[in-house]
This record gives sequence, C-alpha cells and structure tokens, in this order.
Amino acid sequence: DTGVSQDPRHKITKRGQNVTFRCDPISEHNRLYWYRQTLGQGPEFLTYFQNEAQLEKSRLLSDRFSAERPKGSFSTLEIQRTEQGDSAMYLCATLLLLGRGDEQFFGPGTRLTVL
Amino acid sequence: AQSVTQLGSHVSVSEGALVLLRCNYSSSVPPYLFWYVQYPNQGLQLLLKYTSAATLVKGINGFEAEFKKSETSFHLTKPSAHMSDAAEYFCAVSVNTGFQKLVFGTGTRLLVSP
Repeated sequence: DTGVSQDPRHKITKRGQNVTFRCDPISEHNRLYWYRQTLGQGPEFLTYFQNEAQLEKSRLLSDRFSAERPKGSFSTLEIQRTEQGDSAMYLCATLLLLGRGDEQFFGPGTRLTVL
Repeated sequence: AQSVTQLGSHVSVSEGALVLLRCNYSSSVPPYLFWYVQYPNQGLQLLLKYTSAATLVKGINGFEAEFKKSETSFHLTKPSAHMSDAAEYFCAVSVNTGFQKLVFGTGTRLLVSP
C-alpha cells in the first residue's frame, strides 16, 4: 500500500454512459498525475496537477475527458460518453516535489470496462 | 523526445537463476531513469531510480541496475530469482526535470519456474 487510494477499483459501464473516478493522494504531496494503461502496454501520461492547477494535458485526453483537483487534495477524472476504446486501467500517481527525479507513488488503479 | 525501449516482452528464468531485464533509453539531456514493478491488478511500485549520482543503483528486493551512458542502457538485474519476483517490470524515463512526467516502456513480464 503506497498511501494513494483510488475508487472504484473496477467499473463496468455501457457505451455512452459517463463515469467518474477518484484519487486520494498522500496528504502532503503537491503533484498529482493521471496515467492510462491498456492491456500489454506501459502507462501513458494523461494529465497532471500542481496543487489545484492543471498544468499539462496529453493529446490522449480528448474533450470527453475532464480532470479536476479542487483545493489541491483529491482529484477526479470524468469520462463522458464512454467508448469501447476507453477500456483501460486508469492510474493515479502523486509526488512531493522536492527537486529532480522525485518518486511517484502509484495508486492501485481503476479498471474500466466499456461494454 | 525521451523514450525507453524494453527488449523482450517475456523473460523466463528458473528459481535461483540470474534475472536480467533490458532497458535502453533515448534522451537529449541527462536522464532520470526508473524501474517499477507491477503485480496483477495492482499499481506500480518503485524498485529503484537513477538520478545522476552513483551509476550502480541498488533497490528493493535485491534488485540493482547500472546506468551506462555509452550504451544508453539501464538494465535491471538480480543475482537469484525468487518465485515472488514473477511480475511485470517497467522501465521509465522522467521527461523534463520540472514536469517530471514519466514515459514508460512496454514492460517485460518475468516468469519464474520452480
């Protein structure tokens, strides 16, 4: 247990439905990252926050995806009008920004299946 | 742009044998390199990292890796495999020292037989 929690752990939904995932970071960590991992691949960066500010978004993050981190604590990732291609593991990672090469602590992930 | 390549999607060893998982990187600036392990249906756990200090890095569970600039490599080794080492291993490079986004390889699944 890294101290980063994600909820739910598993989500099955029908195509076209909206889903929301939550990530609770280690309390003092000021950076929060979202990654997506498809079967047989490594995680791919989606977006990240410095406190409550969303500073960077990947081209993978279409306009159906939105992420928030109100008050710089927990974060949510919402997918609207889900598609079968959205099926993946969504990973949250957090770090305490100290300098360079800081360790990212990963949560257990939310596995999304879109039927 | 920074990237990593992991050679071999699957590596099989016998218990007690040497483990060698290969990772080559591409980076226009001095890289920060990481090895993570992922057990089934779990998140990633850091094994070790290279941040421009010692080139031989020791990590958890008896793993170590050596940064070789001339070969652009950061291979992961363990002298003696244990059944509990069976998992997926990911090499990653940190992009942009301020950004600290991780770019991962495609992973290597380690299989350990009795």
